[in-house]
Amino acid sequence: QKEVEQNSGPLSVPEGAIASLNCTYSDRGSQSFFWYRQYSGKSPELIMSIYSNGDKEDGRFTAQLNKASQYVSLLIRDSQPSDSATYLCAVPDSSYKLIFGSGTRLLVRP
Amino acid sequence: DTEVTQTPKHLVMGMTNKKSLKCEQHMGHRAMYWYKQKAKKPPELMFVYSYEKLSINESVPSRFSPECPNSSLLNLHLHALQPEDSALYLCASSPDRRGTGYTFGSGTRLTVV
Repeated sequence: QKEVEQNSGPLSVPEGAIASLNCTYSDRGSQSFFWYRQYSGKSPELIMSIYSNGDKEDGRFTAQLNKASQYVSLLIRDSQPSDSATYLCAVPDSSYKLIFGSGTRLLVRP
Repeated sequence: DTEVTQTPKHLVMGMTNKKSLKCEQHMGHRAMYWYKQKAKKPPELMFVYSYEKLSINESVPSRFSPECPNSSLLNLHLHALQPEDSALYLCASSPDRRGTGYTFGSGTRLTVV
C-alpha cells in the first residue's frame, strides 16, 4: 500500500510569516503531486500541482519537489489568517488512485 | 463551467430509508469519483468511474450503490445505512483516470439516525 505522510500539526505561525508544510511519499515511481486546502466543514480545493523536480510558484504559494528524497513541500509566504485550514498532500498510485496524506492543520495567528 | 455540483448539501436519513446523492459536472471530465470523509480524517476513496464504467470499488458495503447514467452525472444510492456511515460524501471529477488534479464538489453532509 502506497503511503503519503504528513505531520498532523497544528502548525502555528504568526501573520506575515512563511508557513512550511511537508509531505513524504513511499512510491519512488510517483510522477505527480498535489496540494489541497480544506477549510473546516468544506470540501478540498486544489491549490498546487507539481510534476517535476524543483520549485513551482503561484502567487504566495510555492511547491517544492525532491524526487530523490521523496518529499514535496508547500511554502506559503506572507501567511494570512484566511490561510488557516488543513492542507492535504496527495499522490496518485500506479492505478492513478489519489492517495491522501492525513493533512496538516495550519493556524495563522493575527 | 468549472464546478462539480452536489445535491443535497445536507441529508438526514433513518436506517430504513432509501435516498440518493447526486453529482453533476460539465467540464467534459471522463473520470468521476465518490469519496467519504469523516471528521479530522483525509478523504477515503469509495468508487471510481472511468468513461461511465465502474473501474474501482474499494470494497464498499453493498448498502452503497453507485450509478453513472452518463458522462456528466454520478449518483450514489443509499439503503439501510448505519449511524457510522454518517460523514461528508464528496464527489470529484478529473479529465481522465490519471489523477490529474481532481475537482471536488462541495459535498453532502449525511447524518444517519
